[in-house]
Amino acid sequence: DQQVKQNSPSLSVQEGRISILNCDYTNSMFDYFLWYKKYPAEGPTFLISISSIKDKNEDGRFTVFLNKSAKHLSLHIVPSQPGDSAVYFCAASAHRGSTLGRLYFGRGTQLTVWP
Amino acid sequence: DAGVIQSPRHEVTEMGQEVTLRCKPISGHDYLFWYRQTMMRGLELLIYFNNNVPIDDSGMPEDRFSAKMPNASFSTLKIQPSEPRDSAVYFCASRLAGSTDTQYFGPGTRLTVL
Repeated sequence: DQQVKQNSPSLSVQEGRISILNCDYTNSMFDYFLWYKKYPAEGPTFLISISSIKDKNEDGRFTVFLNKSAKHLSLHIVPSQPGDSAVYFCAASAHRGSTLGRLYFGRGTQLTVWP
Repeated sequence: DAGVIQSPRHEVTEMGQEVTLRCKPISGHDYLFWYRQTMMRGLELLIYFNNNVPIDDSGMPEDRFSAKMPNASFSTLKIQPSEPRDSAVYFCASRLAGSTDTQYFGPGTRLTVL
């Protein structure tokens, strides 16, 4: 059962525009959320994270928004660049309970930024 | 720091053969994770260790899969016998307890079973 869902397998955006990647989760125990970026033939690399005590975290062109009541988070990339083309994974963790230490991943969204 | 190291990067084998994937976590990290990535299932956790002890192996598909962590700097994932449906990219990741939840991934091993 997928506890973290990325319902859009792909997204295509023009360079300079905003990219918005979405993620939903079902487990109310999740209290920490991360985004990873993955290029072909490489491992996923950490991009940005947010704790459940916040609703927004910003790092340069990347901003993550968290809506706890809706169990929804999103990653905004502004402005989008061709080098941002990659697969983006949403992940979540719980700091309490038996699953301490593990991340739950979505299936990923392939972002393509075209010139 | 060299990051998480995995070997081999590519493995092609025939059905029925034994396959061993290797991982060296980042020095000082005390969590180690094995993942498998496929088109159908995305990135799925197979097993993870804390201080060399397996914590959760519920993601291991079946008895043909086994994982060990004999010491803090080395882990193996073994498939015996291998089957074509095991073809996937296998990632190892490590993490430091007490820090953020960020896991650091290796480059992966692309396994093809013919």
